[in-house]
Amino acid sequence: DAKTTQPNSMESNEEEPVHLPCNHSTISGTDYIHWYRQLPSQGPEYVIHGLTSNVNNRMASLAIAEDRKSSTLILHRATLRDAAVYYCILRKGGGADGLTFGKGTHLIIQP
Amino acid sequence: NAGVMQNPRHLVRRRGQEARLRCSPMKGHSHVYWYRQLPEEGLKFMVYLQKENIIDESGMPKERFSAEFPKEGPSILRIQQVVRGDSAAYFCASSQGELAFFGQGTRLTVV
Repeated sequence: DAKTTQPNSMESNEEEPVHLPCNHSTISGTDYIHWYRQLPSQGPEYVIHGLTSNVNNRMASLAIAEDRKSSTLILHRATLRDAAVYYCILRKGGGADGLTFGKGTHLIIQP
Repeated sequence: NAGVMQNPRHLVRRRGQEARLRCSPMKGHSHVYWYRQLPEEGLKFMVYLQKENIIDESGMPKERFSAEFPKEGPSILRIQQVVRGDSAAYFCASSQGELAFFGQGTRLTVV
């Protein structure tokens, strides 16, 4: 799996937008960009994924750079329940292989 | 559609005993992955199985650990002769296509 680079931690205030960056300069053409998050004492939770175009769902938005070497997960209005470790992961299309987790970004939300 | 079910949620074993962790994938999913998360660390891939086949066991310790995913029934991760260093959270994920979904994990404590 290609490598991703994320900041170790970020801090934001409640009810403000949060932009979580991810660099993946060695991404290949068949790699999808997946985001998962892990709340304390829980299993990883799927957030969003995309290939080339920006994506929106009820949880977040994913903005993918034109050259696909970076992406940004956007939480439009953070709540205390969004405090978690966020993982940016590359996975080949078809999804037969497993997910390789890095250290992720520990998101801290201040009330 | 129930999510990925893992049981037990918590398991306490004495050193030298065997631990059996069970994972029932989401309905229709034939791919199962096991991960281990040591305290304060990231998720490490252990093994990838399809029905009755081990596809990738590159992350499995060479001794004492085994996994199976029979034609009928849940996937089982088996740890023989547990040691204190086996204490961790063990997560299972299932997929059928691009997305993988995780269970809530089994927290193994070896005393």
